[in-house]
Amino acid sequence: EAQVTQNPRYLITVTGKKLTVTCSQNMNHEYMSWYRQDPGLGLRQIYYSMNVEVTDKGDVPEGYKVSRKEKRNFPLILESPSPNQTSLYFCASSSLSGSRETGELFFGEGSRLTVL
Amino acid sequence: DAKTTQPTSMDCAEGRAANLPCNHSTISGNEYVYWYRQIHSQGPQYIIHGLKNNETNEMASLIITEDRKSSTLILPHATLRDTAVYYCIVRPTILDMRFGAGTRLTVKP
Repeated sequence: EAQVTQNPRYLITVTGKKLTVTCSQNMNHEYMSWYRQDPGLGLRQIYYSMNVEVTDKGDVPEGYKVSRKEKRNFPLILESPSPNQTSLYFCASSSLSGSRETGELFFGEGSRLTVL
Repeated sequence: DAKTTQPTSMDCAEGRAANLPCNHSTISGNEYVYWYRQIHSQGPQYIIHGLKNNETNEMASLIITEDRKSSTLILPHATLRDTAVYYCIVRPTILDMRFGAGTRLTVKP
């Protein structure tokens, strides 16, 4: 089954304790992206990656890091989490083969993070 | 970036067609109209997209006006499971999709 898998789905942590949210897709997609969703602010893009070893900042990259060492994985790293990073996080992927415009974004189920 | 305007909320009777409007009067020639939906706090789900022509798939139909300044997403026979927030997005590619507030559609029995 084609899917985007995020882990953990739920996490409560404390300020300053490094954490990683993993994202894996089994569709051989070139493009992967991270979003955060906050009430009243919609979904905002954090980082995206066009392919292995190629990453770019989105609209709200501060406080986050990413890496793309393998095509299937795109982890989101919070080196020193703060309470303002409490949010619902979504990973997404898509194929860039052929026309980029016809791409469909596939989203994971979300990771709800609380930073105390 | 083309901005989209959608109603905050809409209701629809189960079994009837749900018509969700979207205004995008500043759309550029290379921008596509995408529709996604989000059920509760699940990951957004792709519905349909189009450039100029009307499009139909197994989920919905997309009607784009000739001047491309507005569009309508049509769910032909709404069910309770179609209750969700529906996002209309106008972008040239999928690379940096911008999700606004969307329309909260409630399908009622």
